[in-house]
Amino acid sequence: QKEVEQNSGPLSVPEGAIASLNCTYSDRGSQSFFWYRQYSGKSPELIMFIYSNGDKEDGRFTAQLNKASQYVSLLIRDSQPSDSATYLCAVNTPIQGAQKLVFGQGTRLTINP
Amino acid sequence: GAVVSQHPSWVICKSGTSVKIECRSLDFQATTMFWYRQFPKQSLMLMATSNEGSKATYEQGVEKDKFLINHASLTLSTLTVTSAHPEDSSFYICSARAFGQGAWEQYFGPGTRLTVT
Repeated sequence: QKEVEQNSGPLSVPEGAIASLNCTYSDRGSQSFFWYRQYSGKSPELIMFIYSNGDKEDGRFTAQLNKASQYVSLLIRDSQPSDSATYLCAVNTPIQGAQKLVFGQGTRLTINP
Repeated sequence: GAVVSQHPSWVICKSGTSVKIECRSLDFQATTMFWYRQFPKQSLMLMATSNEGSKATYEQGVEKDKFLINHASLTLSTLTVTSAHPEDSSFYICSARAFGQGAWEQYFGPGTRLTVT
């Protein structure tokens, strides 16, 4: 069973602080990793992807990947109330000869003004 | 990023009828599209992988005769929920894969909320 684990939260962070979201995965064969943001009642929106060890920055977002430890994280700097959403970690995993995205259960993030 | 559209955005149908949902990649060609279902407060569940010009691959536990998938072109995949029942009420989301910046990225449509009465 290919698994992606996230803390379901809710995670509450004051406005302006750094929000840290974590994700672990079970399949060492996974090559690419994605963070999606999903607002209530809406479909997921791709925020970032990463496939090399280390950090990748895009604006206020930083994705971090450590393949040896099998974890990937997302940092949101200067958190804004509009960042309040559920964040889904997704891992591109080889399953039965095909690459499929396996999703974590999501972390619900609330930014408090 | 790439744009994926879905139609309709919401639909209400009576039990026993069929509903067709369209998924289109607007600015790129997608040989592979995916259909997901999401129940309230749950994560996305992959239903099937739709491959252009061939039969869809269904995940374990998904009835292929109930959820008919057709991927007739590189920009269009359809999901038909046949003989819908109230337990089929859910949020159906399609996604398409596009290659960009050195990796395959998967973009989601806006979703279709199906309510079966």
